[in-house]
Formats: sequence, structure tokens, C-alpha cells
Amino acid sequence: DGGITQSPKYLFRKEGQNVTLSCEQNLNHDAMYWYRQDPGQGLRLIYYSQIVNDFQKGDIAEGYSVSREKKESFPLTVTSAQKNPTAFYLCASSIVAYTGELFFGEGSRLTVL
Amino acid sequence: EDQVTQSPEALRLQEGESSSLNCSYTVSGLRGLFWYRQDPGKGPEFLFTLYSAGEEKEKERLKATLTKKESFLHITAPKPEDSATYLCAVRASGTSYDKVIFGPGTSLSVIP
Repeated sequence: DGGITQSPKYLFRKEGQNVTLSCEQNLNHDAMYWYRQDPGQGLRLIYYSQIVNDFQKGDIAEGYSVSREKKESFPLTVTSAQKNPTAFYLCASSIVAYTGELFFGEGSRLTVL
Repeated sequence: EDQVTQSPEALRLQEGESSSLNCSYTVSGLRGLFWYRQDPGKGPEFLFTLYSAGEEKEKERLKATLTKKESFLHITAPKPEDSATYLCAVRASGTSYDKVIFGPGTSLSVIP
């Protein structure tokens, strides 16, 4: 079955550590996204990529980095510069960019100890 | 400022008790409104796209409608399995790229 796989589902990090969240899709979608979800707030866009080897900052990119070396993969690194990293992180993809019809993964919950 | 709000924040219904969820938006250049369902600890699941005022979409017990300022998600005779958080999002034309703005969601609980 086609879909988006995120790993790990749960992750604990000590302050000062970088962590990388994995996102893989087999939907053959061009565009991929990373969102952050906090209680009581709407999803906020961290980074998005329209095509391989290209990505743009979203609304809250500070303290995060991404790469898009393969069409299927869009990993997110949460760096030590991110001041409040504890959140639920969602990876999504779409057939084309700039559409609101997104396919989401199951999410990764990051907790900073 | 582009904004999407949803009401109520939480809704508790008896099984079979129909109701509506509201999504209000203030954006420049609406290019689509989207509804999603999100189960606890899971990613959102796409439900509907609406493009113009007067448009309606239906899926099982759900019907989404759109006006120039808001959208409603009507739930007819809900069942416990309809319990979830329902997210609304709008696509708005931006200066350099179209933005998709999500509302905070409405948490629906359907009691047997």
C-alpha cells in the first residue's frame, strides 16, 4: 500500500542534542512538507520541498534543517538551536506543490528532557 | 492577517444527535478550503475540498458547505466512530507562494 512512513514514532532528546526525524513516501509525490502541531494551535509549516534537491523555509524554520536528496525521502533535523522542540511533528506529501490536499504520515512525538 | 478559526473548540454529542462544526476564515484570495479528520496520536486524513461559495461535498454522515466567509461541517446522526478532531485549512494566495493555513480544530466526542 502507498503511504508515508515516519520514524521514530516517539523520541526523547536531551537539551543540546540534534535529532533527525525520518519521512519516506512511496506515493510518487513531488512535494513534501514538515509541520509542527502543538495543543490548541493549528499545524504550522516548518519546511517544504517542491522537487528533489530544492526546499524552502516555512513559517517556523528557525532551529530546523532538512534535505531532499531523493524524491521519496525528506528528513527533518531538529537542532539544539530550536528553543522549544517538544511537539508532534507531521510529514506530508502532495502530488503537486501549493495544494491543500495533503497526505500525512502517522507523526513523530519529540520530547525534550 | 490571514487567519482561520474553528468553533466550538470541543463538542460532545449523543449518538444520533446531529450538529455542525464551524470554520471561519479571513484570507486574501481564497484558493480552496479543506477539511481533515485527525484521530488521537495520528496524522490528519483528508476529507473534502471546497472551492467556491455554495459548493457542497458529502461523505457518509458528513457534509461540508462553503460560504464567502465560513464553512460548515454537518454531521448527521453521528456514531461513536465519528469521534475525532476535525481540522479546517484554507489555501490563500501569498506574495511568493500560496499558503495553506490550518485552524486549531474541533474535538468531537460522540457518546453511545
